[in-house]
Amino acid sequence: EDQVTQSPEALRLQEGESSSLNCSYTVSGLRGLFWYRQDPGKGPEFLFTLYSAGEEKEKERLKATLTKKESFLHITAPKPEDSATYLCAVQGGGGYQKVTFGTGTKLQVIP
Amino acid sequence: DGGITQSPKYLFRKEGQNVTLSCEQNLNHDAMYWYRQDPGQGLRLIYYSQIVNDFQKGDIAEGYSVSREKKESFPLTVTSAQKNPTAFYLCASSFQGADSNQPQHFGDGTRLSIL
Repeated sequence: EDQVTQSPEALRLQEGESSSLNCSYTVSGLRGLFWYRQDPGKGPEFLFTLYSAGEEKEKERLKATLTKKESFLHITAPKPEDSATYLCAVQGGGGYQKVTFGTGTKLQVIP
Repeated sequence: DGGITQSPKYLFRKEGQNVTLSCEQNLNHDAMYWYRQDPGQGLRLIYYSQIVNDFQKGDIAEGYSVSREKKESFPLTVTSAQKNPTAFYLCASSFQGADSNQPQHFGDGTRLSIL
């Protein structure tokens, strides 16, 4: 059974203080690892897909990296508007596009 | 703008009542999904549909039903058999293919509560 574990559960940063969120996974035949951002009362917003170990993707202050066992979401010089819950999900090699989600990291950036 | 529209945003259910949550997409996606989100838990799959007139149970289908009569629409009915329906319900869609690994895109959810 595919599993996704995200850490820490919650993270509080000062504005400008860079940090990383972790997503550890076990999956049979990784097809893709996805990062989403979710604001309170809203649906998850797609950020990145990573397909193979060594791949990196960037968007503004966010950079996602992937190894064979984990993915990191690096946040450089965060701003208060980066405050949100960040979800990680993996798609394994099942018969359909089954996606397993982690429970998320709640990020708060303080001005 | 293309996207996924869920309605209503808030819904209240009385004891013994069935309620239906609407999900419409104009992204021309083949596959559609319903998830339930509870505090401290990851998204859990209720039902999914890969093509019109076909759908499959997810991990927690008991007490729920769906239909897929049109490519754009995938309504979810929460029946009276679902004893703990209070949750945030999310609809998603994605492109479909034999080896597809395209991301799912989500609507903004419906929050269901018990009266």
